[in-house]
Amino acid sequence: AQSVTQPDIHITVSEGASLELRCNYSYGATPYLFWYVQSPGQGLQLLLKYFSGDTLVQGIKGFEAEFKRSQSSFNLRKPSVHWSDAAEYFCAVGAMGLTGGGNKLTFGTGTQLKVEL
Amino acid sequence: DVKVTQSSRYLVKRTGEKVFLECVQDMDHENMFWYRQDPGLGLRLIYFSYDVKMKEKGDIPEGYSVSREKKERFSLILESASTNQTSMYLCASSLLAYGYEQYFGPGTRLTVT
Repeated sequence: AQSVTQPDIHITVSEGASLELRCNYSYGATPYLFWYVQSPGQGLQLLLKYFSGDTLVQGIKGFEAEFKRSQSSFNLRKPSVHWSDAAEYFCAVGAMGLTGGGNKLTFGTGTQLKVEL
Repeated sequence: DVKVTQSSRYLVKRTGEKVFLECVQDMDHENMFWYRQDPGLGLRLIYFSYDVKMKEKGDIPEGYSVSREKKERFSLILESASTNQTSMYLCASSLLAYGYEQYFGPGTRLTVT
């Protein structure tokens, strides 16, 4: 079964500093990988996704992530953090449902990002 | 824009009550999902549906059931609510062809007393 590990529960960065959120996955086949963001009181919004091809993917809000197969990692980065980036970030891996439909996502436990002004 | 709506943002119920959480999506998506979100545990899949009247158990289906009578609507049912079902419940939907890209509703925070 697939799994996702986000080793950092909380991260605090200063506004303008760079950011890297870690994500490690376990999956037997080629993974489909995602990063979602959840602002306080909101549902989840997709930041970016990796299906195949270029291992460096660009997303919304200036985020990017790099797929490293050898390390089973899909870390999220941003060169300069803004105060509005404070939120919870979830990494997820995709897998087919038992009956072949309803492609499921398995989520990590999330990383809470705090931005200091 | 895809819109996923949930019937309530906040809900307070008593132990033993039957609880219905409703989710509606307006983009003709085949797949719909129910998750619960708890601090430190992330999102855990309760049930999902890939077609009308079709459903499949997720990772934590115990104590829950679902209903999908129309394509746009997916209901989560707590037959007899218990305090350990106090949680945030998130609904999501996706296209069959791009099933991994899920769109989420704002969530329902359920408190069972």
